[in-house]
Amino acid sequence: NAGVTQTPKFRILKIGQSMTLQCAQDMNHNYMYWYRQDPGMGLKLIYYSVGAGITDKGEVPNGYNVSRSTTEDFPLRLELAAPSQTSVYFCASSYYQGSNGYTFGSGTRLTVV
Amino acid sequence: GENVEQHPSTLSVQEGDSAVIKCTYSDSASNYFPWYKQELGKGPQLIIDIRSNVGEKKDQRIAVTLNKTAKHFSLHITETQPEDSAVYFCAYRTGANNLFFGTGTRLTVIP
Repeated sequence: NAGVTQTPKFRILKIGQSMTLQCAQDMNHNYMYWYRQDPGMGLKLIYYSVGAGITDKGEVPNGYNVSRSTTEDFPLRLELAAPSQTSVYFCASSYYQGSNGYTFGSGTRLTVV
Repeated sequence: GENVEQHPSTLSVQEGDSAVIKCTYSDSASNYFPWYKQELGKGPQLIIDIRSNVGEKKDQRIAVTLNKTAKHFSLHITETQPEDSAVYFCAYRTGANNLFFGTGTRLTVIP
């Protein structure tokens, strides 16, 4: 049972490049979330999904896109990377929205130069 | 209802001493208050939580207290050990909504 798996762990992008952060969970959780973590700023919700085919914006969605074609996968897409997107990104999942048990992945550290 | 203040931002204690981290929220409808521990290079992990109908909950050396009138909740770690060193986040939820997180406290336990 792997829980929540994020890839890659580290990535350096040039301004204007695009990339997809991968997230997969094997717990059959309905809800999945993407957070970004900036120093001293805690965790900010980017996007979330309540099930396959359904996504919604969080607090800081600008510059990102998501899709949820299966229950297991919830990729986060950066189309035109900007320095302001330098951050650590965490994917999480839960059985239902606001569920007690959010399971987090180990994160992706992204640097945009 | 997305404001949660967490203090202190850094905390150093001697091994064996107690550590207390406090969070203050603004939404009186908040009903669920978890605490997460984040070790270096890892994602946050739930360590303890409390619901709005309970004033205190304890699990071995960690406890959480909730004061609904004052709108604050605190994490208490007793008999601290070096492995308690980590970043701790409080969070809260209103209704069935998503969790909102505090800004984190970096706890260092000095052997």
